[in-house]
Amino acid sequence: GQNIDQPTEMTATEGAIVQINCTYQTSGFNGLFWYQQHAGEAPTFLSYNVLDGLEEKGRFSSFLSRSKGYSYLLLKELQMKDSASYLCAALNNAGNMLTFGGGTRLMVKP
Amino acid sequence: DAEITQSPRHKITETGRQVTLACHQTWNHNNMFWYRQDLGHGLRLIHYSYGVQDTNKGEVSDGYSVSRSNTEDLPLTLESAASSQTSVYFCASSEAAVTDTQYFGPGTRLTVL
Repeated sequence: GQNIDQPTEMTATEGAIVQINCTYQTSGFNGLFWYQQHAGEAPTFLSYNVLDGLEEKGRFSSFLSRSKGYSYLLLKELQMKDSASYLCAALNNAGNMLTFGGGTRLMVKP
Repeated sequence: DAEITQSPRHKITETGRQVTLACHQTWNHNNMFWYRQDLGHGLRLIHYSYGVQDTNKGEVSDGYSVSRSNTEDLPLTLESAASSQTSVYFCASSEAAVTDTQYFGPGTRLTVL
């Protein structure tokens, strides 16, 4: 099975940088996804990491360390619209199942 | 534009009734998934399908069934609704590769009284 942990809530200031951490313990692993979910809406894809290292995509970056079972999502130049839940999800070894963490609710304040 | 839709968006039903939630995608994706989302549990996989006539159980499949008779649709049936099945249900689809991004529908909020 898979166990995914991420903080429940975080608060940050507009214009700042925030890092959302995710740790996973899995019996098999085939990559780590991050999704963004605004309140009352569907999750939308942000990033996918399968190799160690940092992937940058505009204001958002995602990092993976397979040996440590650790990932983070880095959001730069925070905007009010970044207030949302951020879901970390691990893909199992067979590649047929995503296990999601409980999500981190990020509140961006002026 | 291709999309994934769910219906109904909101449903109230009574304990013991059979309920079917519809999911329809126009991307021609092979893979389709059903999740439920509850506070404190995140998204949990109920059932998934890799193509027509293929269905598989996920993490929380008890009390649910699916069928895949064509590429576009994966209806989710609650055989005998229970209050514990009150939740928000999301359908998702992805292309053939297992690492492909999943695209989620808008969700169905189901209340079982």
